[in-house]
Amino acid sequence: AQSVAQPEDQVNVAEGNPLTVKCTYSVSGNPYLFWYVQYPNRGLQFLLKYITGDNLVKGSYGFEAEFNKSQTSFHLKKPSALVSDSALYFCAVRDMRSGAGSYQLTFGKGTKLSVIP
Amino acid sequence: KAGVTQTPRYLIKTRGQQVTLSCSPISGHRSVSWYQQTPGQGLQFLFEYFSETQRNKGNFPGRFSGRQFSNSRSEMNVSTLELGDSALYLCASSRRLADTQYFGPGTRLTVL
Repeated sequence: AQSVAQPEDQVNVAEGNPLTVKCTYSVSGNPYLFWYVQYPNRGLQFLLKYITGDNLVKGSYGFEAEFNKSQTSFHLKKPSALVSDSALYFCAVRDMRSGAGSYQLTFGKGTKLSVIP
Repeated sequence: KAGVTQTPRYLIKTRGQQVTLSCSPISGHRSVSWYQQTPGQGLQFLFEYFSETQRNKGNFPGRFSGRQFSNSRSEMNVSTLELGDSALYLCASSRRLADTQYFGPGTRLTVL
């Protein structure tokens, strides 16, 4: 079974400082990894994904994520946080094991990011 | 290009009633998935559909059902509503099953 862990319920960072939101995963096969962001009373908005290739993935709004196979991690990063980045962030994994039969996403519990002016 | 649309956006029902939620995917997308989001359980997978066929179903009781139409639009139905069914129901579409899923704004269901 696939699973995702986001060890921090909340991350606080000062505006202008770098931010990191942590994610670790567990799958049987090769992982497809995703980050989504959710603003209050809204659906999930796609930020970036890792399928294969370069371990550093660049996405929307200046976000990037680093895939680390040995540590089974996919941490979300941004060099300089904005107040408008304050939101709920979800990491998700899809197990691309051959014959898995399903393409469902398994999500972490979410991390609330607060950027302090 | 229009995004995923879900109707209605808000719904209030009482226990024992049934409800139908609708999802229109992004044009050209043939796969639709549904998720339930609650504060306690987070985001949980309900169903996935591709070309009118249910490909997989999550661990939910039989009161939860869904379908997909030939135009890729999808509906989900919950019968005999319980208080615990109060949640944000999110629909996501993708061009194919393995592609990136794009989410709609959700339907907020409140069961009284």
